[in-house]
Amino acid sequence: GQNIDQPTEMTATEGAIVQINCTYQTSGFNGLFWYQQHAGEAPTFLSYNVLDGLEEKGRFSSFLSRSKGYSYLLLKELQMKDSASYLCAVKDDYKLSFGAGTTVTVRA
Amino acid sequence: GAGVSQSPSNKVTEKGKDVELRCDPISGHTALYWYRQRLGQGLEFLIYFQGNSAPDKSGLPSDRFSAERTGESVSTLTIQRTQQEDSAVYLCASSLARWNEQFFGPGTRLTVL
Repeated sequence: GQNIDQPTEMTATEGAIVQINCTYQTSGFNGLFWYQQHAGEAPTFLSYNVLDGLEEKGRFSSFLSRSKGYSYLLLKELQMKDSASYLCAVKDDYKLSFGAGTTVTVRA
Repeated sequence: GAGVSQSPSNKVTEKGKDVELRCDPISGHTALYWYRQRLGQGLEFLIYFQGNSAPDKSGLPSDRFSAERTGESVSTLTIQRTQQEDSAVYLCASSLARWNEQFFGPGTRLTVL
């Protein structure tokens, strides 16, 4: 079976940094994805890790440790528009298994 | 259009009625997926189509759920005799091939009264 855990909610101040952790136990692994989902909208791709280490893309970075079954998404210089749900998803062949999502609220 | 489209965007139905949800994938994408997102929960895989291969229906929750895809184009998800627990957002995604990034549509919000 698949078990993917991430915190339910996080709150941070505009301009700050927030780190969203994701732990997983899955039967197979072909990579880990992070998606952003604004309320009522489709999830949009943020990052993909298949090897251990840090992937940086502008204000967003994602880290993976396969041996620990652990990933995090780091959001820097938070902006109000970053208020959204962030979904951690593990790929096994073609299937994506998702965590329940972390709702991030950015306050002025 | 450039992205995945779904229709209708919202559907309200009465318990026991059948509903049909439609997905138009990105042109050229051979792989198509349906997911269900219940309130406060993660996306659940429902079904996967890849070209002309037999679909993976392992995620369909009951025999009331079925899906079809015509070649590498439109897909429809049908829910027969809807129940209140079927209320959710149904998301469709497509990818160039099974190994590639999935692009999601905006979803259909289904409410069963």
